[in-house]
Amino acid sequence: RKEVEQDPGPFNVPEGATVAFNCTYSNSASQSFFWYRQDCRKEPKLLMSVYSSGNEDGRFTAQLNRASQYISLLIRDSKLSDSATYLCVVVGWAGGGNKLTFGTGTQLKVEL
Amino acid sequence: DTAVSQTPKYLVTQMGNDKSIKCEQNLGHDTMYWYKQDSKKFLKIMFSYNNKELIINETVPNRFSPKSPDKAHLNLHINSLELGDSAVYFCASSQDGRGLYNEQFFGPGTRLTVL
Repeated sequence: RKEVEQDPGPFNVPEGATVAFNCTYSNSASQSFFWYRQDCRKEPKLLMSVYSSGNEDGRFTAQLNRASQYISLLIRDSKLSDSATYLCVVVGWAGGGNKLTFGTGTQLKVEL
Repeated sequence: DTAVSQTPKYLVTQMGNDKSIKCEQNLGHDTMYWYKQDSKKFLKIMFSYNNKELIINETVPNRFSPKSPDKAHLNLHINSLELGDSAVYFCASSQDGRGLYNEQFFGPGTRLTVL
């Protein structure tokens, strides 16, 4: 079983749609969680951190369920510019420092 | 100003050659990383350095040798390149590798193709 699992997609949605991505992780000792975004042939960039209480940043809402080891990202009112791959990231201690473990990513395509 | 820069951006080479990739960050961060993203887009950490000291060393062939001359630079040397080494290599940095919510800033990547 992969440490961090995501549905690879692609999710093809019309502009204005609401779309949700899910992610599960296997290591219950994981300590912090993020969503990163990667555009085609570009580097990953931080989208948002994910906190236990859930958090929102504009049209983006992230949720964490530690008991189920599950993370979600909700995007409301999708824009064309949201088209990208969304990477679920789980952080755990690796002995000398914190290690980010990335999921394989979920591809989103927002269409007219 | 580019925060995390890598050179070269593209690298095409023959099997068996030795090559290096350089990375520099001007963010004043303490921790730097090397990641490999394979053809299936899976991004996996290889190494991490904190203030020039190796703190994370994943299961990577010893043909890969990182070197950090100072905390702003982390280079990656690869000996005896193999076809399977073809990938995009990303350098990244963060303020402190021990912080739980420290953002990692990635360089633009080096696309390595081994023929």
